[in-house]
Amino acid sequence: NAGVTQTPKFRILKIGQSMTLQCTQDMNHNYMYWYRQDPGMGLKLIYYSVGAGITDKGEVPNGYNVSRSTTEDFPLRLELAAPSQTSVYFCASSPDGSGVEKLFFGSGTQLSVL
Amino acid sequence: AQKITQTQPGMFVQEKEAVTLDCTYDTSDQSYGLFWYKQPSSGEMIFLIYQGSYDEQNATEGRYSLNFQKARKSANLVISASQLGDSAMYFCAMREETGANNLFFGTGTRLTVIP
Repeated sequence: NAGVTQTPKFRILKIGQSMTLQCTQDMNHNYMYWYRQDPGMGLKLIYYSVGAGITDKGEVPNGYNVSRSTTEDFPLRLELAAPSQTSVYFCASSPDGSGVEKLFFGSGTQLSVL
Repeated sequence: AQKITQTQPGMFVQEKEAVTLDCTYDTSDQSYGLFWYKQPSSGEMIFLIYQGSYDEQNATEGRYSLNFQKARKSANLVISASQLGDSAMYFCAMREETGANNLFFGTGTRLTVIP
């Protein structure tokens, strides 16, 4: 049972490069999220989606873009990478937005921008 | 105002002892859920326990229990018989019923279990 799958697990980028972090879930969840976690800190929401074709900004969306063309996939695009984007990125999903539903997390992507 | 407050940046506990990690929350919703996640040094986020706002009994999952005091808006995690493998970051989270962006995380508590 795969759950939420993120790729890659590690990546080093040069300043100004772009990349896409992939996230796929096989649980048919409607809600998907992207968080970033800076060293020693908590989670900050970058973008979220409540279903295919619907996305919205979270707390820290600048420098990122997302799309949700299918229920399964929710890629996060970094344009013109900056050192401030060095972080661990987590993708998560839940069946819906109900208060009883926990988030299922991917294993994270550790990104360094040098 | 912070939705979730974890006031203990770090905690130490002796192996086999019990430890309480504090969490307070702020919401005007009547219906909401409270969650605890564990993040070991390997980095993954592991779901531990859930408490619904209408649940009258405190949630328990093995050695984990949630001390839910609704009037005080607190949802403390109690870990009994601590083990070395319990050393990790612990995050408290709340999910409100209203809105799509309705999930809030605390800043976490780093627990270190001492042999």
